[in-house]
Amino acid sequence: QKEVEQDPGPLSVPEGAIVSLNCTYSNSAFQYFMWYRQYSRKGPELLMYTYSSGNKEDGRFTAQVDKSSKYISLFIRDSQPSDSATYLCAMSAKTQGGSEKLVFGKGTKLTVNP
Amino acid sequence: DVKVTQSSRYLVKRTGEKVFLECVQDMDHENMFWYRQDPGLGLRLIYFSYDVKMKEKGDIPEGYSVSREKKERFSLILESASTNQTSMYLCASSLRGRRNEQYFGPGTRLTVT
Repeated sequence: QKEVEQDPGPLSVPEGAIVSLNCTYSNSAFQYFMWYRQYSRKGPELLMYTYSSGNKEDGRFTAQVDKSSKYISLFIRDSQPSDSATYLCAMSAKTQGGSEKLVFGKGTKLTVNP
Repeated sequence: DVKVTQSSRYLVKRTGEKVFLECVQDMDHENMFWYRQDPGLGLRLIYFSYDVKMKEKGDIPEGYSVSREKKERFSLILESASTNQTSMYLCASSLRGRRNEQYFGPGTRLTVT
């Protein structure tokens, strides 16, 4: 089983839809969970960052972590064409010195159609 | 705004050539990273540097070396380029202790023929 699994899509939705993006993982030591967004021909940019379980909201974006199920989600409300991008989940374990290296999912390509 | 720049957006090299990819960041970050990104394989860490002249191997260091002589600059070197090193190369940086919050450059698309 791969350490982080992410459905590559592609996912195509109409403007205004609620989008749900998901990752599962196998390493129970992961405590830091991130979502990066990557526009075409650009580098990834950090979108959301959560520690341990629970929800975090930032505008139209909500990140959710369920450590008991080893499952993380990113919800996008009222999706816009400008949200069209590849979304990468990433996670890392906590160590005495800080955190281990990031482990990335393969990314889900999202297209929001006007 | 953090800015990470990479020397080239597109590069075409021949098999066996020595290739240098340069990355510069302007935010005084201690950590710098080199990744490659391939379809179906995602982002994979090649090397990581946590200080000047300090480096750690990532998941796929074979065929690559790195150099960090100045804090703001991190170079990736392909000693003898091969066709299986054709890829998108991404540089990133972060503050010490904030390894999860990485700032990426725009990437270099390297083609080895």
